[in-house]
Amino acid sequence: NAGVMQNPRHLVRRRGQEARLRCSPMKGHSHVYWYRQLPEEGLKFMVYLQKENIIDESGMPKERFSAEFPKEGPSILRIQQVVRGDSAAYFCASSPSMANSGNTIYFGEGSWLTVV
Amino acid sequence: DQQVKQNSPSLSVQEGRISILNCDYTNSMFDYFLWYKKYPAEGPTFLISISSIKDKNEDGRFTVFLNKSAKHLSLHIVPSQPGDSAVYFCAASEEGAQKLVFGQGTRLTINP
Repeated sequence: NAGVMQNPRHLVRRRGQEARLRCSPMKGHSHVYWYRQLPEEGLKFMVYLQKENIIDESGMPKERFSAEFPKEGPSILRIQQVVRGDSAAYFCASSPSMANSGNTIYFGEGSWLTVV
Repeated sequence: DQQVKQNSPSLSVQEGRISILNCDYTNSMFDYFLWYKKYPAEGPTFLISISSIKDKNEDGRFTVFLNKSAKHLSLHIVPSQPGDSAVYFCAASEEGAQKLVFGQGTRLTINP
């Protein structure tokens, strides 16, 4: 009964490099969410995806960040040309259907990105 | 604009006593509220939730109370145990919205 799987757990990138974070939702879940937690802050919503569709990306920075959830394979959060301010914990979550009105979302263990 | 606020960054409670964590919100459109627990270097773990049509929900040692008129909710843990030491996040969502809005978290420490 695997939960939400994220990898890598820890990633170090130099400024200007690209970071790719992967997320496999729980079995039977078709809705994926990405959240970011900056040091000493709460989690902030970034993007909500269903298979092959971005439903809500209102929390995504306008530049350098992109997300996808292809028909086959994990969801990918991609950060191009990373800067020090991108250093954070990135959490993926999934739910079996829409996450409102009683549908709980379940989080993965997180991917910690450090930009040096 | 912090729509969900946890005004106590930390709380220390004696083992066996009651822990009360508080959360305030400003958005009257929120209709579903959740509490998550988080250990260092791990993802948040769902604890308990409550819909706006209720004012109380209980699950074992955990009870969540919702006061819609005050836009306030609280999580009660009784009796508190050492394993409850963690950061607790309050979260809320609007009907029809897919995203959760989180508070800043409260670090709970249970002292033996």
